[in-house]
Amino acid sequence: EVQLVESGGGLVQPGGSLRLSCAASGFTFSNFWMSWVRQAPGKGLEWVANIKQDGSETYYVDSVKGRFTISRDNAKDSLFLQMNSLRAEDTAVYYCARDPVSGHDYGDYLLKWGQGTLVTVSS
Amino acid sequence: DIQMTQSPSTLSASVGDRVTITCRASQSISSWLAWYQQKPGKAPKLLIYMASSLESGVPSRFTGSGSGTEFTLTISSLHPDDFASYYCHQYNSYPYTFGQGTKLEIK
Repeated sequence: EVQLVESGGGLVQPGGSLRLSCAASGFTFSNFWMSWVRQAPGKGLEWVANIKQDGSETYYVDSVKGRFTISRDNAKDSLFLQMNSLRAEDTAVYYCARDPVSGHDYGDYLLKWGQGTLVTVSS
Repeated sequence: DIQMTQSPSTLSASVGDRVTITCRASQSISSWLAWYQQKPGKAPKLLIYMASSLESGVPSRFTGSGSGTEFTLTISSLHPDDFASYYCHQYNSYPYTFGQGTKLEIK
């Protein structure tokens, strides 16, 4: 069974940093594009970033470029999101998600999702 | 960036009703569109991909259609389990974007 388990969320002050992790199991992690999607409290979904199977390509939404870094460790079946210079508007549940098909050269829709981890940016 | 505009934002309906949600893209996305269902406190669930392909295990009362800039999600006969929020998602070009969501409520 495919499982994606996020961790690392919590309360952080504006300007601070946080590193989210997503532990994957039940599939060959190194074969899939992976993504982060967030949802502010009571709001809609926002695509944040994704990363190619080998980490050679990454893409970001403009609002996090230069502040967030997506990365992966295929040896440990793990996805990460390093978040720096955090702002109040980054407060959200952050979901880790997986593409549907292994081996694609391009990112795709999102088939498998974790349960999310809450990040709260507040003083 | 491609903007995705969903309508309506809220939809009140009854069990057994047929409902349609619309998603418009600010430029053509061909058929690179997915629909998700989300219930409170839960992760989104994929319903439709490539605008009209039904994900395995999703009931056939869910239908997606459209291409280019205009897309619809139709639920042919609402079941109690269908009352949730629905989002469209374009994966044609970066940054990928979602519609703002449609909350389907019980009338």
